[in-house]
Amino acid sequence: NAGVTQTPKFQVLKTGQSMTLQCAQDMNHNSMYWYRQDPGMGLRLIYYSASEGTTDKGEVPNGYNVSRLNKREFSLRLESAAPSQTSVYFCASSVEGEGGPFGPGTRLTVL
Amino acid sequence: DQQVKQNSPSLSVQEGRISILNCDYTNSMFDYFLWYKKYPAEGPTFLISISSIKDKNEDGRFTVFLNKSAKHLSLHIVPSQPGDSAVYFCAASVSSASKIIFGSGTRLSIRP
Repeated sequence: NAGVTQTPKFQVLKTGQSMTLQCAQDMNHNSMYWYRQDPGMGLRLIYYSASEGTTDKGEVPNGYNVSRLNKREFSLRLESAAPSQTSVYFCASSVEGEGGPFGPGTRLTVL
Repeated sequence: DQQVKQNSPSLSVQEGRISILNCDYTNSMFDYFLWYKKYPAEGPTFLISISSIKDKNEDGRFTVFLNKSAKHLSLHIVPSQPGDSAVYFCAASVSSASKIIFGSGTRLSIRP
């Protein structure tokens, strides 16, 4: 039982490049989330998915797209990376709106 | 517009004493509240939660208090231990909607 896994752990991109962050959970949770953490800003919700096949915007969705591929997997895509997207990205899962595990994070730098 | 606010960026408490972390929220639709703890270079870990039908929930050294009329909650840790030094995030959700919003965090330091 691995909880929530994320890949990659680290990534450096040039401005304009694209990439997809992968997330998977083995908790059989319906809800999954993507957050970004920046100094002094806490954890800000990018997108969330209440169930397989549904996704909704969070607080800071601009510049991102998501896919809820199945119940286990929820990916985050940056189509054209910008320096403002330099951050640590966390994926999480939960039973609807309740406490659940986070992944270890992806540290992304955009040059 | 921050819906969940943690107005104290940092807090220092002596080992063995009580740590009190505070959190305010603005959205009256929130009906479920959570606290997470985060160590450097790790993902946050869930600590304790409380539903809006309660005003207190206790789990070992951790107690969360909810004051709905004031839209305020607090986390009490007693006694504080060195391993409690971490960043603590308050979060809130409308439980039927799955969306969980976090505050900006409070860095707790436990001094000897």
